[in-house]
Amino acid sequence: EDKVVQSPLSLVVHEGDTVTLNCSYEVTNFRSLLWYKQEKKAPTFLFMLTSSGIEKKSGRLSSILDKKELFSILNITATQTGDSAIYLCALHQNAGGTSYGKLTFGQGTILTVHP
Amino acid sequence: SQTIHQWPATLVQPVGSPLSLECTVEGTSNPNLYWYRQAAGRGLQLLFYSVGIGQISSEVPQNLSASRPQDRQFILSSKKLLLSDSGFYLCAWSSGRLNEQFFGPGTRLTVL
Repeated sequence: EDKVVQSPLSLVVHEGDTVTLNCSYEVTNFRSLLWYKQEKKAPTFLFMLTSSGIEKKSGRLSSILDKKELFSILNITATQTGDSAIYLCALHQNAGGTSYGKLTFGQGTILTVHP
Repeated sequence: SQTIHQWPATLVQPVGSPLSLECTVEGTSNPNLYWYRQAAGRGLQLLFYSVGIGQISSEVPQNLSASRPQDRQFILSSKKLLLSDSGFYLCAWSSGRLNEQFFGPGTRLTVL
């Protein structure tokens, strides 16, 4: 059975701290791994990773994928209160001959950043 | 640019009542469309997806159904709601089967 497991489930830090969120997976026909940030409502897209060892970076956020060990990490440096959110990891799988690639989500990490 | 709309934003319905949630996408044509449910602010569970008008695939057996009457319109329905249908319902679109998905603002449904 396909699995996406995120850890920790929740994390409380203070502004300025650096955090590392983890996503491990067991899926068939892996295509890509995606990270989303969800505040009050809609998840917003952060990164899509398809190749091992290539870091994706956006401001204070960065992410990397290890396809051999089957995990990804999302780093946030110099955290701010606006980083408080649920961070979701999702796996995209190839779908063979169909025109759909299944997206399987992990349970999310709730990050709380205190001033 | 593309935008995705969902309504209503919140809904409180009694058990046994019908349901209709609507999702529309602007600024793109022939999108892939998806309905997800999120329980207790956690991971998303895919309910339905559609690759074209009238084409609906269901991921899990349930009390809900979906329809796609127009290219950029996706509707989630139920004839009789159950307590277990409560949750946060999200619509999403993608431009291709292996591209990132973009989410709408969601509908929070409470069944009493």
